[in-house]
Amino acid sequence: DARVTQTPRDKVTEMGQEVTMRCQPILGHNTVFWYRQTMKQGLELLAYFRNRAPLDDSGMPKDRFSAEMPDATLATLKIQPSEPRDSAVYFCASGPSDYEQYFGPGTRLTVT
Amino acid sequence: AQSVAQPEDQVNVAEGNPLTVKCTYSVSGNPYLFWYVQYPNRGLQFLLKYITGDNLVKGSYGFEAEFNKSQTSFHLKKPSALVSDSALYFCAVRSLNSGYSTLTFGKGTMLLVSP
Repeated sequence: DARVTQTPRDKVTEMGQEVTMRCQPILGHNTVFWYRQTMKQGLELLAYFRNRAPLDDSGMPKDRFSAEMPDATLATLKIQPSEPRDSAVYFCASGPSDYEQYFGPGTRLTVT
Repeated sequence: AQSVAQPEDQVNVAEGNPLTVKCTYSVSGNPYLFWYVQYPNRGLQFLLKYITGDNLVKGSYGFEAEFNKSQTSFHLKKPSALVSDSALYFCAVRSLNSGYSTLTFGKGTMLLVSP
């Protein structure tokens, strides 16, 4: 049963520190998405990759966030420097198309 | 711009009773509609989708959804609720952009099924 994996599952860090979240998409999927979920804003799309190329990162704060796909088996989301308002659950999803998405378990980030 | 609305933050139902979680949409063109479920501390799981064909779509765990074009609705239903159905439910619509599409999610509806 193929699944999207994310590491770490939980991360607690201090304000100003760099945070890197990793995602392994399902083998064969050519689309990868990063979402952020908070109680206040719900589910927000941060970035979207197709065939490892970024198509949409308009939802991502450009000054501190960056998303990359160094290869087909790894997607990363970095925050530098982190701030308390970045505290949220970050989900990665992959899919065989841009509207069929399979979500990972998420990374719960707490910035103190 | 495409959007979905889930008018209820929470739905309460007793076990064994039928349940409905509401969703309305706004799209240009033919809608692609989806329901996802999120259990505590888990990612979203796909339940069902409507792209074309029968207006009644059957999905996982006994759920179904009815597409109603005139009312622009895509309500999620189940004939008999289980306590284990308690979770957060998201409706989503495919959003068309320039050369690609993404999913736009509603705010979510918490379903609480009481024993």
